Amino acid sequence: QITLKESGPTLVKPTQTLTLTCTFSGFSLSTSGVGVGWIRQPPGKALEWLALIYWDDDKRYSPSLKSRLTITKDTSKNQVVLTMTNMDPVDTATYYCAHRLPVGDAFDIWGQGTMVTVSS
Amino acid sequence: QSALTQPASVSGSPGQSITISCTGTSSDVGGYNYVSWYQQHPGKAPKLMIYDVSNRPSGVSNRFSGSKSGNTASLTISGLQAEDEADYYCSSYTSSSFVVFGGGTKLTVL
Repeated sequence: QITLKESGPTLVKPTQTLTLTCTFSGFSLSTSGVGVGWIRQPPGKALEWLALIYWDDDKRYSPSLKSRLTITKDTSKNQVVLTMTNMDPVDTATYYCAHRLPVGDAFDIWGQGTMVTVSS
Repeated sequence: QSALTQPASVSGSPGQSITISCTGTSSDVGGYNYVSWYQQHPGKAPKLMIYDVSNRPSGVSNRFSGSKSGNTASLTISGLQAEDEADYYCSSYTSSSFVVFGGGTKLTVL
């Protein structure tokens, strides 16, 4: 059974760097085809794809946020970490991590999400 | 890359069928068979309903079906039920090697 859980601060100040950790079980990020992604959703708004890391350490980023995002993995700890620099109140959102299907680009299993508020 | 275009809302009565459209460009929806659909109930994480345009994950009702024509993908829900009331999002792989979501559609079951 695949599960994912996000963790990190619930409140960050403007200009600070956000670090979120996705801890997963039920699969290995060293298995060919596997990927873990991050998606966010501001309150009352649509989903926004942020970044994805593949089993072979290939990384993809949203073009609009690429300069601010870094995604890394620790296969031994079954964790994926997303950092976002220079946080702004518009970055207030629920942040989800999700397991990517080995084929195609769909997320079949999602974490519960973690709400991050950016405020001074 | 702009978000995919979905109607803000659709509605239908129990037992009816509804279709939600998702319009993109030849650089995303029209160029790849990697369109997915997600259902999201209030306060919950999204749930994958359709992947690769028309494939249903195990456990998803066969009342949900997907299709694509040109730059527009569609999600059809037949035999509408009260529990189908939710927000629905489409997504597509893009030529820039990332994924774009639609703006979401609120489905109301009358």
